[in-house]
Amino acid sequence: GAVVSQHPSRVICKSGTSVKIECRSLDFQATTMFWYRQFPKQSLMLMATSNEGSKATYEQGVEKDKFLINHASLTLSTLTVTSAHPEDSSFYICSATLDRYEQYFGPGTRLTVT
Amino acid sequence: GENVEQHPSTLSVQEGDSAVIKCTYSDSASNYFPWYKQELGKRPQLIIDIRSNVGEKKDQRIAVTLNKTAKHFSLHITETQPEDSAVYFCAAEPRANSGYALNFGKGTSLLVTP
Repeated sequence: GAVVSQHPSRVICKSGTSVKIECRSLDFQATTMFWYRQFPKQSLMLMATSNEGSKATYEQGVEKDKFLINHASLTLSTLTVTSAHPEDSSFYICSATLDRYEQYFGPGTRLTVT
Repeated sequence: GENVEQHPSTLSVQEGDSAVIKCTYSDSASNYFPWYKQELGKRPQLIIDIRSNVGEKKDQRIAVTLNKTAKHFSLHITETQPEDSAVYFCAAEPRANSGYALNFGKGTSLLVTP
């Protein structure tokens, strides 16, 4: 089956620093990748949709200058949380899709901002 | 935009009993309805999905039914086992202008007691 990896799995950073999270589709080329944020005991909230070679489409309320998304290839998308603050602490999950249907999720990145 | 409602938020059943989780959606254009299982701290795993051209799909102990007229779909788990305990999310697709991103329900925390 399709495998999506994410790195790092867990990161702790100080307030004001930036953190980069990588999402890779390991055995397929993903036409689209998505970035979600999940707070404890809550659902997945879509942050942005990322297509290779084009600008990401951000959901309403998500600051594009704070959450930088780069989709350099069909197998790699990165999310950079710039000038992180404690309220950015969350579980960030990416997903990738082969077609317009099935989405395969990465294992997630637990970000803690101190 | 699409709005997905999921009920119940928590469900406790005894081992061997059946569990049913229901979702409704608002966008009649949606035509793909996956169900994900998420264990604590882990990635969502696709357990079953259904497209709008069928009304029911079954995979061993898991089944999904879809009523497009009423815009609701349900997950049925029979002969539940303790390892079925997890949070289950329904989702609907597509979202307009979001590259076929999924809209998730708020999740159902299922507990199967021995």
